[in-house]
Order: sequence, then structure tokens, then C-alpha cells
Amino acid sequence: GAVVSQHPSRVICKSGTSVKIECRSLDFQATTMFWYRQFPKKSLMLMATSNEGSKATYEQGVEKDKFLINHASLTLSTLTVTSAHPEDSSFYICSARDPQGDEQYFGPGTRLTVT
Amino acid sequence: SQELEQSPQSLIVQEGKNLTINCTSSKTLYGLYWYKQKYGEGLIFLMMLQKGGEEKSHEKITAKLDEKKQQSSLHITASQPSHAGIYLCGAGGQDGNNRLAFGKGNQVVVIP
Repeated sequence: GAVVSQHPSRVICKSGTSVKIECRSLDFQATTMFWYRQFPKKSLMLMATSNEGSKATYEQGVEKDKFLINHASLTLSTLTVTSAHPEDSSFYICSARDPQGDEQYFGPGTRLTVT
Repeated sequence: SQELEQSPQSLIVQEGKNLTINCTSSKTLYGLYWYKQKYGEGLIFLMMLQKGGEEKSHEKITAKLDEKKQQSSLHITASQPSHAGIYLCGAGGQDGNNRLAFGKGNQVVVIP
């Protein structure tokens, strides 16, 4: 299957700092990428849809000023958690939609811990 | 909003046995995705089903989307320890925008 990478895989930061997570599609050009958040033993919660060349679309209840999304190219989307707080600690996973077949491939995830 | 119910929540099987897990939707399914996840890792794409009655197989895993398109089942034949993990079903919206809603997962444990 197609490969989607995320970087970093783990990050620990202090409260009040910002953290950037990168998501790259390695095998195809993705006009649309998605950012999810997963709490322990819970399912994935869609945070936003990242559209190449335009503003991201956020799901209800997700603060767009806190979770900044940039989709600068067809293979890269970034999620920046601004002014992070301990409650932002979570597992963040991105996915990329393959425009050829509509499959959606996920990255390996980023474990964020805010101290 | 669409809700997906996965059952059973967890399942323990002996190696070599078959198993079936289910995903039931509160609304018509327009694209049903099956993924496998190991704790703390990303999701591995297994299969995507779109048409009512569709059935797909990959190695020992078979997934079906029922005719009414509100339920999907995933069947594993002769389970192996490598099949252990959390199986997640995700459903896209009618508008085909690929914004997926997920169930809570089926945890599968395979005992050697």
C-alpha cells in the first residue's frame, strides 16, 4: 500500500510552546489530507481536512487558531499545536487520500506529550 | 452524524481458528474502510468497500458490505498471531468527501 510518513514520531514539549508535526505522502500527490486525534483506548476523532492551496476545514469544536494546518504542497501537510497545554497531549495521526482510487492511507502517528 | 458500532468489542481466539467482526452503521454506508492498528501505531489499510453486496479478500482476510449498505463484516480464516490488533472501520459521507467517522474498534487477540 501507499506510504504516508509523519515526523516526529514522538515529541515532548513544555506548556506554552508550539509543536509542528509533518505529514508526507510518499507515493502519490494528495490534494486532500486529514488530521485525526486519538485518545487512549478511544477511536479516532477527525480534527480537520487539509486542502492543498486553500484553507483547512475544521470539524466542529476544533479550535483553528490552536491547531494550525498548512498544506503547502501536494505531498506535505503540517499541523502546528500552538501554545500547547497538557490536555493537548495525545496521539495525532494524519491520512492522505489517493485521488486515483479514493483509498485513504494513514501515517504512523505522532505521540505528543505536553509537560 | 453517522455512528459506527463495532462488535464484539474484544475477541480472543485460538491460533488457527476463524473469526468474524462486524461494523454496523446508523446510516447508509457510501464508502466503508477497514484498517488494522497496533497500539500506539498508525493504521494499516486493509480494504475499502463501496457497493452493496461487495466482497473483497486479501490473503486470509475477507470483508463484505451487505446489500442494504448498513453493515460490514470482516472474516479472518485460520487466524495467526500476526492478525492480533485493533480493527477499525471507518465510513465516508454521501458527498464523497472522505471525511471518515470511525467505530471504536474490535480488539483481536490470537493465542498461539
